[in-house]
This record gives sequence, C-alpha cells and structure tokens, in this order.
Amino acid sequence: AQKVTQAQTEISVVEKEDVTLDCVYETRDTTYYLFWYKQPPSGELVFLIRRNSFDEQNEISGRYSWNFQKSTSSFNFTITASQVVDSAVYFCALRRGYSSASKIIFGSGTRLSIRP
Amino acid sequence: EAQVTQNPRYLITVTGKKLTVTCSQNMNHEYMSWYRQDPGLGLRQIYYSMNVEVTDKGDVPEGYKVSRKEKRNFPLILESPSPNQTSLYFCASSLSPGSGNTIYFGEGSWLTVV
Repeated sequence: AQKVTQAQTEISVVEKEDVTLDCVYETRDTTYYLFWYKQPPSGELVFLIRRNSFDEQNEISGRYSWNFQKSTSSFNFTITASQVVDSAVYFCALRRGYSSASKIIFGSGTRLSIRP
Repeated sequence: EAQVTQNPRYLITVTGKKLTVTCSQNMNHEYMSWYRQDPGLGLRQIYYSMNVEVTDKGDVPEGYKVSRKEKRNFPLILESPSPNQTSLYFCASSLSPGSGNTIYFGEGSWLTVV
C-alpha cells in the first residue's frame, strides 16, 4: 500500500528560527516520485519540489532545503531563517512511477505558523 | 501561460440542487483528476481520467460524477449535493500518469452545501 505520513499536525515558531517538516512515505515500488506543495491562506496549491526515487541528492533552493533518505523512507523539508510569509499548510505527496498510476497520494499536511 | 482553471471559486448551495464545477486546462494534458480537501485528511482523490472518455473512481467517488468528452475539460458534477460534500475541491492535470511530470492544480473551489 502507498501511504504518506506527516506526523506534525501543527508547528509554530518565531520568525528567523529554522524549522523542519517531516514526511515519511510507504511504497513497495522502486520507481516513484515525491513532491512538496505549499498551501497559503488563500488556498491554492503551490508546487515546491519534485524528486524521483533514484535521485537521493539533497536539494537547496534559497532558504528551502530537502533531505531525501530512502533508507528511512523520509523526505523532510527544512526552512532556514523562517519568515512570516512561510506561514501555510505544507503537503508532502507520493506518485507511483508506472504508466497506469492513477493518483497522487497526499499526507494530511502540516500547518506552519511563523510568529513575528 | 500553463493553467488549470476551475469555476466557480466560491459557491454556497442548498441540499439537493444539482451543481457542476468546471475544470479546464490549456496544456493538452492526458491526465486529469479531482480532489477534495478536508481538515486533517489532506487531499483525497474523487475521480480521475487517463484520457478522453476514460474515467475511473478514486477513493471517495460517492455522490459525484465526472465526464471527459474533450481533452481540456473535466467537469465535476454533484447531482444531489449534501452537507457532507462541503469541502475545498481541486482539479489537477499532468502530461501523463506514472511520471515525474509537473502536476498542475487549479486554484480550488470552496463549496458549501447548506
């Protein structure tokens, strides 16, 4: 079975703190894709990153970084020097890597609040 | 500009009054899908379509219908809405399933059934 778990329901930190959002996934597939999306208060889903299962290189984009570890089935997301604009719900998602894969499986989301 | 467009964005309706939420994409994508988002549950798939005239149920299809007569459009139909269908709905599309292609989401449709 495919599953994505975001155990942290809500996180609240003070501005400029670093914060890590956890994502643990389950799949027996060898080929799969992992995603992170941001959902600001306005409601839309903003794509942040995509990784495939064969690429375990960590990635950094400005204040954002992602740590993909197949050994622990985790794809964690870290925001460095957080800002109030980072306040949002963040979703981790998994997509199977074969042609008839019908859906993207989402975690339940982590609500991140950055206090000034 | 690559877009998935949903309408309406906001709707309050009454129980039993049929409604349709439209979804259109301008990227010639094969795959389209509908999700609903509820607190604590993340996004759950309602229906999906692999291509024109090919649709299938997702995890929570009860109370919904879809059609895919054209590649660009994938409307979600609530024949007889009930209050438990109050939710935030997202339409999504991508070039093909089972790949790392970017998944594009519409802006969401807030639906309240009273």
